Amino acid sequence: EAGVAQSPRYKIIEKRQSVAFWCNPISGHATLYWYQQILGQGPKLLIQFQNNGVVDDSQLPKDRFSAERLKGVDSTLKIQPAKLEDSAVYLCASSVPGTGVKAFFGQGTRLTVV
Amino acid sequence: QKEVEQNSGPLSVPEGAIASLNCTYSDRGSQSFFWYRQYSGKSPELIMFIYSNGDKEDGRFTAQLNKASQYVSLLIRDSQPSDSATYLCAVKRDYKLSFGAGTTVTVRA
Repeated sequence: EAGVAQSPRYKIIEKRQSVAFWCNPISGHATLYWYQQILGQGPKLLIQFQNNGVVDDSQLPKDRFSAERLKGVDSTLKIQPAKLEDSAVYLCASSVPGTGVKAFFGQGTRLTVV
Repeated sequence: QKEVEQNSGPLSVPEGAIASLNCTYSDRGSQSFFWYRQYSGKSPELIMFIYSNGDKEDGRFTAQLNKASQYVSLLIRDSQPSDSATYLCAVKRDYKLSFGAGTTVTVRA
């Protein structure tokens, strides 16, 4: 079974530039999560999709971050304009729907804003 | 109050010893509980999950859950150098999955 795919693996941009990350979840996983993990901290949920609908985006900085999941499969997370404090690893995870189910992570995208 | 709290460590244990990691959570309605292991520079990997009060064992790992105390723990028996990593506690209620900051474990040979 293929895992969660993310790209790119690494990205370096200057502040105020824009950047986009892509995630393809495990086949059949209706729930998709985007997390931000700053060095030394635990993952922080940015946005969660159930199929192509948003379940939770309470911690997404909506003035600069946006995400979409067209057709309920793969997803894109965008930052525009980027700030220095956005430097982090952006993790995508997926699971089947349900309270007790396990989430599986992709390899993440390491973003450095200079 | 943070949703999920863990001791940040680092926790240093000798090889062969038991490593004990603790996690508390604030939402009494939390339904399921997970432990992820994260090696430096890698993504989190699920190692244990528990839904009911009591103990759950899987190989050298034992997860313990006490919902009344809002406490979940992870024991690593016969610790190996390959267990050196950050261990993330995650708590799920409905669809939301929240993580603690992680406990860094170092197993010294």
